Amino acid sequence: GEDVEQSLFLSVREGDSSVINCTYTDSSSTYLYWYKQEPGAGLQLLTYIFSNMDMKQDQRLTVLLNKKDKHLSLRIADTQTGDSAIYFCAESRRSSASKIIFGSGTRLSIRP
Amino acid sequence: DTGVSQDPRHKITKRGQNVTFRCDPISEHNRLYWYRQTLGQGPEFLTYFQNEAQLEKSRLLSDRFSAERPKGSFSTLEIQRTEQGDSAMYLCASSLDSSGRNEQFFGPGTRLTVL
Repeated sequence: GEDVEQSLFLSVREGDSSVINCTYTDSSSTYLYWYKQEPGAGLQLLTYIFSNMDMKQDQRLTVLLNKKDKHLSLRIADTQTGDSAIYFCAESRRSSASKIIFGSGTRLSIRP
Repeated sequence: DTGVSQDPRHKITKRGQNVTFRCDPISEHNRLYWYRQTLGQGPEFLTYFQNEAQLEKSRLLSDRFSAERPKGSFSTLEIQRTEQGDSAMYLCASSLDSSGRNEQFFGPGTRLTVL
C-alpha cells in the first residue's frame, strides 16, 4: 500500500503504552481503520474513525487523527503479550467506497 | 460459527494448473470482497460484489482471474494457468453497508503456493 505508510516494527515492554503511526496521502479519505492480524488468523477490525473526528477512545485503544498532516496513530495502553501481532492502518475513500487500502503493517513485539 | 469462511485453507499446485477458491460470507451481508496478501505486505483489493453484481475490479485482476457470486451468497475465485507469482494469501471479506462505515469482516484466507 504505497498510499498508506507505516513503520515495519515496534518493540515495547509489557505494561508500557504502544504507539503505532501511519500516514496516508489521499485527502478524500472517509474512514480510517486499524486492523490486527495474528499468526494463522484473519484480519480483525480493532477500531475505526470517521475523517471528521480527531480522536476516538475504546477501552485500551486510542486513535488520533490529524487530518491536516494526514497522520493517524493507534495507542494501546498497558500493552500485554496478547497484543503481539501485525497492525494494519487502512483507509476508504470517496472515490471508491468499496475497497479498503491497507498499509504494509507494523509488527508489534512485546518484551517481558 | 457465523463468521466469514473460506475453503480450502491451503492449496499447493503446479504452475499451469487451474485453482478455485470458495468464500462464504456472513449470511446477511450483501457485499463481498476479494483481496490478495503477499508476505510482508498488507492486503490488496482485487474485486467486489454487491449481491450478485461484480461492481469493481482492480487492475491486479488479470484475465487469468475470474470471480463469481452467482446467487448473491457464496463467491468463487478462479485462477487459470497459475504462475509462481500468484503465490499469496487470498482473503475474502464481507460487509453490510447500511451505515457507510464499510466495516469489512475478513475470513481466515486461502494460502496458495504455486510450485
